[in-house]
Amino acid sequence: EAGVAQSPRYKIIEKRQSVAFWCNPISGHATLYWYQQILGQGPKLLIQFQNNGVVDDSQLPKDRFSAERLKGVDSTLKIQPAKLEDSAVYLCASSLDVNQPQHFGDGTRLSIL
Amino acid sequence: GQNIDQPTEMTATEGAIVQINCTYQTSGFNGLFWYQQHAGEAPTFLSYNVLDGLEEKGRFSSFLSRSKGYSYLLLKELQMKDSASYLCAVRDSNYQLIWGAGTKLIIKP
Repeated sequence: EAGVAQSPRYKIIEKRQSVAFWCNPISGHATLYWYQQILGQGPKLLIQFQNNGVVDDSQLPKDRFSAERLKGVDSTLKIQPAKLEDSAVYLCASSLDVNQPQHFGDGTRLSIL
Repeated sequence: GQNIDQPTEMTATEGAIVQINCTYQTSGFNGLFWYQQHAGEAPTFLSYNVLDGLEEKGRFSSFLSRSKGYSYLLLKELQMKDSASYLCAVRDSNYQLIWGAGTKLIIKP
């Protein structure tokens, strides 16, 4: 079974620029999550999708972050404009449903200069 | 507020046993997860407890006491490859995962 695919693996941009991340979940997984993980901390949920609907985006900084999951499969997370404090690893995870364990992609390491 | 507490760092010797504790205070409880995360890699699922007691899976075991808000992950016959961070996460009444900051485990020869 193929795992969760994310791209790019690394991204370096300057503050105030825009960036987008892509995630392809495990086939058949209805639930998709985007997390932000700062070094030395646990993952922080940004947004959770059930199929193509948003379940929870309470911690998503909506003035600069946006996410979509078209057709309930792939998802993109965008930051516009980026701030220095956005430097982190952005993890995508998926699960069969909300009751099942989450499986993570390798993440995108974002550095803001 | 919701809170997960784990030790920041632990050191153990190859071949030995180590216990990583996790205490939690959350709005409701619908299960507790342990994940392993090697440096620069994604977290990988280790274990899941929803009822009190011990769940054993090879060299790894996880224990839960819901009345005490407490869990531990027990790693036996430690190997160098077990050097990683171990994350405790609790699913609350809204089925959201609340994550701890992780325990960095250092294995010495």
